[in-house]
Amino acid sequence: EIVLTQFPATLSLSPGERATLSCRASQSVSNYLAWYQHKPGQAPRLLIYDASNRATGIPVRFSGSGSGTDFTLTISSLEPEDFAVYYCQQRANWPPYTFGQGTKLEIK
Amino acid sequence: EMLLVESGGGLVQPGGSLRLSCAASGFSLRTYAMDWVRQAPGKGLQWISYISFSDDTTHYADSVKGRFTISRDNAKNSVYLQMNSLTEDDTARYFCARDAVGGLSLWGHGTLVTVSS
Repeated sequence: EIVLTQFPATLSLSPGERATLSCRASQSVSNYLAWYQHKPGQAPRLLIYDASNRATGIPVRFSGSGSGTDFTLTISSLEPEDFAVYYCQQRANWPPYTFGQGTKLEIK
Repeated sequence: EMLLVESGGGLVQPGGSLRLSCAASGFSLRTYAMDWVRQAPGKGLQWISYISFSDDTTHYADSVKGRFTISRDNAKNSVYLQMNSLTEDDTARYFCARDAVGGLSLWGHGTLVTVSS
């Protein structure tokens, strides 16, 4: 089973700042990595698929990069609605699909 | 608007059973594979089950294999999760999700399952 490790666990930033979230896989997942945003009480939302493709309706301030074992989700300029928990998920070697443990992006 | 709505959660005793439902609206499920994902209190997301669009392939996480069964009824635009032999470790919010190329492209808000005596 591929293990995904996300860091940092918590990221404290202010609106307008740039956020950089990382996800590292225990073995190569090629580009089969997705990123999700999850707010309390809401449905999770797909942001990025295949490492760097924005999902339908996702603002351009969200971008993904990386391949193999190291991936990054970047939010270029934080909006108030961006504060949430973010998860990466691998789809390269499944079952099971595996998720990282999440990064909580909180307002500083 | 495309929506997934889960139902069927509740309080159940250890060893009991529940059947979760996931109803789609605004689109047809028949061309999509579907998944169930859960989130235990204070924890992250955990994938637990998959069913292909044609219903001929299913997969399960080791933690639920042999106890949970995923199924679908395309005529009712719905997916189901039959959960047997429940333990307190199964306490979680259960989400259904539409499985598209690249990711889980649409999720419901989830239904809460509490296993407690």
